[in-house]
Amino acid sequence: EAQVTQNPRYLITVTGKKLTVTCSQNMNHEYMSWYRQDPGLGLRQIYYSMNVEVTDKGDVPEGYKVSRKEKRNFPLILESPSPNQTSLYFCASSFVPNYGYTFGSGTRLTVV
Amino acid sequence: GQQVMQIPQYQHVQEGEDFTTYCNSSTTLSNIQWYKQRPGGHPVFLIQLVKSGEVKKQKRLTFQFGEAKKNSSLHITATQTTDVGTYFCAGQGGATNKLIFGTGTLLAVQP
Repeated sequence: EAQVTQNPRYLITVTGKKLTVTCSQNMNHEYMSWYRQDPGLGLRQIYYSMNVEVTDKGDVPEGYKVSRKEKRNFPLILESPSPNQTSLYFCASSFVPNYGYTFGSGTRLTVV
Repeated sequence: GQQVMQIPQYQHVQEGEDFTTYCNSSTTLSNIQWYKQRPGGHPVFLIQLVKSGEVKKQKRLTFQFGEAKKNSSLHITATQTTDVGTYFCAGQGGATNKLIFGTGTLLAVQP
């Protein structure tokens, strides 16, 4: 089944403790992206990647890092999480940039 | 910067009533996409519109792209409880050609 797999689904952590949210897709998509979803703000892009080793900032990149060492994987790294990063995070991929995204199931992160 | 606004934020209807959500961009768009997110779920791609004045239908759903390519609408005829969820538009355009998501319209359908 074609899908984007994110882990974990839920995570509660403390301020400053580094964490990684993994994302993997099995559709051979070149384009991958991370979004955060907050009430009243819709989906905002954090980072995106056009291909292996090619990443760029989205609209809200502060406090996040990404890497794209393999085509299928696009992990999101929070080096020092803060409470304002409490949010619902989605990884998404597409065959063509910005068209017809397939989204993962989401990761609900709480930073206390 | 480019903004995409959606109205209404929330709509509550009786099952069988029609529903419409509107999407407006501050800049001309090259295309507009629509996604549906069920409660507790993730966004699912529904459709993309590219041409000025384009109208597309998917069963009870009708999607329109404005003549000026700055607005769009999604109309659902005779809503069902399975239509419950948040509908997002996402517009691509402006100087950066980024895809910007609207804030979404939450649809509640009462049986």
